[in-house]
Parts: sequence; C-alpha cells; structure tokens
Amino acid sequence: KNEVEQSPQNLTAQEGEFITINCSYSVGISALHWLQQHPGGGIVSLFMLSSGKKKHGRLIATINIQEKHSSLHITASHPRDSAVYICAVGGSEKLVFGKGTKLTVNP
Amino acid sequence: NAGVTQTPKFRILKIGQSMTLQCAQDMNHNYMYWYRQDPGMGLKLIYYSVGAGITDKGEVPNGYNVSRSTTEDFPLRLELAAPSQTSVYFCASRNRGFSPGELFFGEGSRLTVL
Repeated sequence: KNEVEQSPQNLTAQEGEFITINCSYSVGISALHWLQQHPGGGIVSLFMLSSGKKKHGRLIATINIQEKHSSLHITASHPRDSAVYICAVGGSEKLVFGKGTKLTVNP
Repeated sequence: NAGVTQTPKFRILKIGQSMTLQCAQDMNHNYMYWYRQDPGMGLKLIYYSVGAGITDKGEVPNGYNVSRSTTEDFPLRLELAAPSQTSVYFCASRNRGFSPGELFFGEGSRLTVL
C-alpha cells in the first residue's frame, strides 16, 4: 500500500462545478502540501497545512490529522484549473508524494 | 527574485554519456532536493541536502551523485547514462525549521537517454 493515496486519479468536470480531491496518508507527518502542475509545466505550491483549514481564492484545503486525511476543494471551477494536483506529506526533512489527480474542467 | 533555477530544460544523451543538471536558489534555503517524475508515477526523491556540505540519499539514488558546496547550488550528476534515467527532473528547496516552509520547485529538466 502506498504511503500517500489520492482519489480520484482522474476527474472531469464542467465549468462552475465544485471539485473535491482527496488525499489519505499512512505515515506520521508534520505538514501536508498541495501542489499544482499544469501540462508540460512546472510545479507550484498551493497550500502547506498541519491542521484545520486554509483558503486562497477559490481553493480550500482541509486536513484531519486524526483520520490522516486531507481534501482540496475548488469552488466555481474554471478551465484554467485543469492541471494535476499533487498531495505530499512528510516530516522535517523528506516528503512522500501521491501520484496526483488529473483534473480537466470543460467549458 | 529568481527562486529555483534549473538548467538545462531539455537534453538528449547517448547511453554511457555523463552530464550535470544544475540547480540554484536565491532564497537562502537550507533544504534542497532532487526528484524525478516518471509518467503516471509520483515524484521520487533522488538525493537531498539539509545544508552546505551535507547530502543524503533518497529513494532512487543509483546512477546519480550530488554535491552541496554552497547554500545556493545543488548540482545533480548523472554518470554513465542509461535509458532508465529518461525522466523529468525537478529541483526543489525550502526553509529548515520546526515547521519547514513551503516547497519551491524549478521548472524541470526533461532528459532523454537513447
């Protein structure tokens, strides 16, 4: 079993829909990261969180430490949100990455 | 503020050749990492460094070497390139601390070994 599991692997939505991507992990962590990778592009950090909830624009990330689970929500999705979303967890030095969730938002 | 700079962006190597992927950051970050990303797979850690003069192996270090002579630079050396090293390589950095900071990635280097 992978240490970090993301679901779904692929997600297709219509513009305007509410999106949820899930991340479950089995290791102890000090922080969880949500990253975004556009096709052929680099990787950017969206959120780093160790408890509770964070919001940035239309993106919301939550984490439940007891259940070892995090969710990334996108409200009012837009075609420019189409990307791979990656969950990463770890301690003070190294991180373990999920395989990513490929999101396609159609106009 | 350039962030994390990787060069080259693309490279084709023949089997057995060697090369160095360059990575530099201007944020005075202690931690630096090299990852490879294969299609359909998560990022795999090759080597990492927690400060100048200190490096350690990650999950997939075979066929690679690194050095960290300065805080800013963390080059990755490929010796005797093999087709299995065809991948996209990312360098990343972040602050050290009780609560390490956000990860910053370079734009990636796409390497093909033929």
